[in-house]
Amino acid sequence: DGGITQSPKYLFRKEGQNVTLSCEQNLNHDAMYWYRQDPGQGLRLIYYSQIVNDFQKGDIAEGYSVSREKKESFPLTVTSAQKNPTAFYLCASNTPRTSTDTQYFGPGTRLTVL
Amino acid sequence: GESVGLHLPTLSVQEGDNSIINCAYSNSASDYFIWYKQESGKGPQFIIDIRSNMDKRQGQRVTVLLNKTVKHLSLQIAATQPGDSAVYFCAENTLNAGGTSYGKLTFGQGTILTVHP
Repeated sequence: DGGITQSPKYLFRKEGQNVTLSCEQNLNHDAMYWYRQDPGQGLRLIYYSQIVNDFQKGDIAEGYSVSREKKESFPLTVTSAQKNPTAFYLCASNTPRTSTDTQYFGPGTRLTVL
Repeated sequence: GESVGLHLPTLSVQEGDNSIINCAYSNSASDYFIWYKQESGKGPQFIIDIRSNMDKRQGQRVTVLLNKTVKHLSLQIAATQPGDSAVYFCAENTLNAGGTSYGKLTFGQGTILTVHP
């Protein structure tokens, strides 16, 4: 089964804790992305990585960190510096080509701060 | 800054009707547009895409129209079914000078489509 998996599906965090969200893909895609989605809103880009061992900040990177040690994996850490982390987090991947750039999404992780 | 937005936040239709979801974009340099469908609690699913050198593209029961003059994008769903109920997002992408993608998509707010049986 090819695709993008995210875990856990639901995550609860106490204030002041760091938590790490997992994203794995077996599509052999070069690039991976993390988005945040708040209720009734669109997706906002947190971080993205186009190759292993390299990543760039998106539009709302503050309070988040990532790593890309393997092509298949792009974990996202939500740190205590993120003041409002409760949201739906979506991971995506693709291989950017010349003229098309369809990103394929995982099922998401819903993070709630208690 | 540049943004992609939607005219209508909600759309209700009867089963069997055709649906039209609209999207306005402001970045005239955008090269590529994608429509996604997102069901409750799930990740977005790719529906159809269109490049800026095209005006129309058809898929299975869906058609995307691009009007570059007024920077408007629409998604038409024929014979809408209850299973089409979801949030629909348009997204835009811009190619860099080398013709490859930056990989960053800008998403609109989304339109909630509700199909009544």
